[in-house]
Amino acid sequence: DAKTTQPPSMDCAEGRAANLPCNHSTISGNEYVYWYRQIHSQGPQYIIHGLKNNETNEMASLIITEDRKSSTLILPHATLRDTAVYYCIVRGGQTGANNLFFGTGTRLTVIP
Amino acid sequence: DGGITQSPKYLFRKEGQNVTLSCEQNLNHDAMYWYRQDPGQGLRLIYYSQIVNDFQKGDIAEGYSVSREKKESFPLTVTSAQKNPTAFYLCASSIVGSRGREKLFFGSGTQLSVL
Repeated sequence: DAKTTQPPSMDCAEGRAANLPCNHSTISGNEYVYWYRQIHSQGPQYIIHGLKNNETNEMASLIITEDRKSSTLILPHATLRDTAVYYCIVRGGQTGANNLFFGTGTRLTVIP
Repeated sequence: DGGITQSPKYLFRKEGQNVTLSCEQNLNHDAMYWYRQDPGQGLRLIYYSQIVNDFQKGDIAEGYSVSREKKESFPLTVTSAQKNPTAFYLCASSIVGSRGREKLFFGSGTQLSVL
């Protein structure tokens, strides 16, 4: 599975959009981009994933560049409860690719 | 509600003692996983199981053991051979979605400390 690079920390004002970048320059054609987040002392929570098209759900939007070497997770209106560590992961789409490399992620702090 | 239940939330281990962390899921997921997380670090895979009565070592299996006798249960034993067991332990399960995508669902974790 391809490795990812994320900034270690970011701040965002409450009510503003939070844009979290992720580089995955070695991603291969069948690998998906996943985003999870972990609030302190809890298990990671799935947010969104995509292959090459932009995706949106009730939690966030995922923008993947055309060359698929980077992506951005967008939280459109950040709240204090969005303060967490956000992990960007890429992994194969086939059953058996069991190991997700979480890395250290981006610590997002939403400021009142 | 469906989900993954880990117990206990906090566990203390004495020197030389084996301890077992419980993980139960009622999501009907085939695959289950154990991860270890140290402060400020990402998750590292200890063991995983794709089907009942079968499991595979992850990156840091030494000093740990698992069993998968039932689909719903995947307990992790931290043995006395694990010399640095203090960490946050996370259990997860997964469903294979359409087109082979695989989303993980996590429990709330167990914090293990050495007395």
